[in-house]
This record gives sequence, C-alpha cells and structure tokens, in this order.
Amino acid sequence: DQQVKQNSPSLSVQEGRISILNCDYTNSMFDYFLWYKKYPAEGPTFLISISSIKDKNEDGRFTVFLNKSAKHLSLHIVPSQPGDSAVYFCAATTNSGGSNYKLTFGKGTLLTVNP
Amino acid sequence: DVKVTQSSRYLVKRTGEKVFLECVQDMDHENMFWYRQDPGLGLRLIYFSYDVKMKEKGDIPEGYSVSREKKERFSLILESASTNQTSMYLCASSFLRESTDTQYFGPGTRLTVL
Repeated sequence: DQQVKQNSPSLSVQEGRISILNCDYTNSMFDYFLWYKKYPAEGPTFLISISSIKDKNEDGRFTVFLNKSAKHLSLHIVPSQPGDSAVYFCAATTNSGGSNYKLTFGKGTLLTVNP
Repeated sequence: DVKVTQSSRYLVKRTGEKVFLECVQDMDHENMFWYRQDPGLGLRLIYFSYDVKMKEKGDIPEGYSVSREKKERFSLILESASTNQTSMYLCASSFLRESTDTQYFGPGTRLTVL
C-alpha cells in the first residue's frame, strides 16, 4: 500500500523555466511533509518542508504548496537551473509525538534541467 | 556540519554470507535509520533506533537485523545475504525524537550479492 505517491518518474524542463514536481498521499494522519533531493552517488539532502497548518512555504527558488483537501502537494522551482537536476523525493510523517519517528517516502521524480 | 559516514561505498558479497554495514554519525543524534533505495521503489525504511540498544522495525525488516551499542554507531546486519538484497543502502540520523526533525543521510553503500 503506497501511502506517498509520486506518479511522474521523470520530468524535463528548460533552464530558467518553472519545474513543478507533484506528490499525493493517502494517509490522512500525515500532517508534515518534506522534500529531499538526491544526486547520484550521494545521500539525499533535506530541501524544504511544510506543516499541515500551512498551505505554502517558500525558501528562495523553492516553494512547496499543500492542498489538504486533495491530499496533494507540489514543489515549485523557479527559475530552474542545471544544478537542480537530481531525484526529488517527497516524504510524509505524523507530528503526533510518541515513538513514531519515521518518514514515508515516495518513489522519487528525476528532474532534468536542460541548459 | 553534520557528518554521517558509512563504512563502504561499494561491497560485493556472495549468497549466504553474513554482511555488516556500519554507519557512524558525529553529531550526537538520538535517532538513526537504515533505508534501502531501489529503482522504481524509492526509499524504504528497514529499521530505526531512537536510543542506544533500542530498535524498531521499519517497513521491510525481513532478512535484516540491527545493532546499536553506542549512540554514534548503527549497524545493519544481513544474516545470510540473498540476491534480492542487492541494493543501495542509506543510513540517516536525526537529532530530536520528533518525526519532523531533519534526517541527515550518509553517502550510501552499493551492495551487490552474487
């Protein structure tokens, strides 16, 4: 049962344009969402996150939008740069405390930004 | 800077061998995690630990065990390696006992089981 879905395995955009990466989730208990970025031969690195009490969070060129009713979030990168080419993982968790410290990851989307 | 190191970048083992993957973090983090990454499947959690000598099963613990004898070190053990355990293994750590805390990943170990 895939609780976090990234339905686009890959995305190709032109340098300077907007990249939009999408993520859907099914577990209504999820209330905190993160994006990680992974280059080949490196571990993933944290990019940006959003709590369910917000519908938007922005950090420089990166903005994450959350639509709770649709159980959908998206990562916007504007403007896209060739160095943004990487695999992007969406992840979700519940901020409910206790001993549940785990993240549930999607399958990832390979973004290629062409010069 | 947080540093998570993994003992090997590449490892080749034979079916039936016992395999140890080591992970060390240098930032006094409470939580440590082991994932595997496979094409088309993303990152899947194998085991995690939120304290020394504590461990919790993740989503795919079968065929694996873990050990955390010291706070900074978290080992993943394949008791009898099989070809379906060929994968990229990623270790991560986080400071707080909160699921929203950022996880810091090591560079990964590419394990091939022949």
